[in-house]
Amino acid sequence: AQSVTQLDSQVPVFEEAPVELRCNYSSSVSVYLFWYVQYPNQGLQLLLKYLSGSTLVKGINGFEAEFNKSQTSFHLRKPSVHISDTAEYFCALLGPIQGAQKLVFGQGTRLTINP
Amino acid sequence: ETGVTQTPRHLVMGMTNKKSLKCEQHLGHNAMYWYKQSAKKPLELMFVYNFKEQTENNSVPSRFSPECPNSSHLFLHLHTLQPEDSALYLCASSQEVGEAFFGQGTRLTVV
Repeated sequence: AQSVTQLDSQVPVFEEAPVELRCNYSSSVSVYLFWYVQYPNQGLQLLLKYLSGSTLVKGINGFEAEFNKSQTSFHLRKPSVHISDTAEYFCALLGPIQGAQKLVFGQGTRLTINP
Repeated sequence: ETGVTQTPRHLVMGMTNKKSLKCEQHLGHNAMYWYKQSAKKPLELMFVYNFKEQTENNSVPSRFSPECPNSSHLFLHLHTLQPEDSALYLCASSQEVGEAFFGQGTRLTVV
């Protein structure tokens, strides 16, 4: 079965500090990986995606993530966070399950930026 | 603006009411999804439609009834809901390979 695990449910960080949000996945076949952000009372917005090619992917708002096949990880990073980055972040994979592509989400990580 | 529109944005309904949530996308996507997001719980996939055919029903109670009349529209019909069904309901669409685009969600409160 395919699954996504976000290891931290909450991450508090000071403004302008670096941050890493961890994501590990489990799949026996090739999958596509995504990070989404959700601001309060909003839907999910795509931050970045890995479909193929370079394992380091850059997304919006200065975020980047590295696909590591051997460690089955797709951690999200930002070198310097801002108050406006306070949100919930979801890691997801898209892969074939029972003949259809299915999007599977992790539990989410709440990122809180403190001044 | 993601190209996926959900209406209404907020809905308050009694336990004996019947209401419907609507989702619309004109992105040319062939898959549409309903997710339920409750406080302090992971996103729960409820239903998946691929090319208008329902391909997934994750043990969702029958008081939730999806309908996909065409590849651009998805409905979630609600009847005799319970207070624990109060949540943010998110619609999404995607191509076979690619990211999902989400609507803003409908905040449902069952009283």
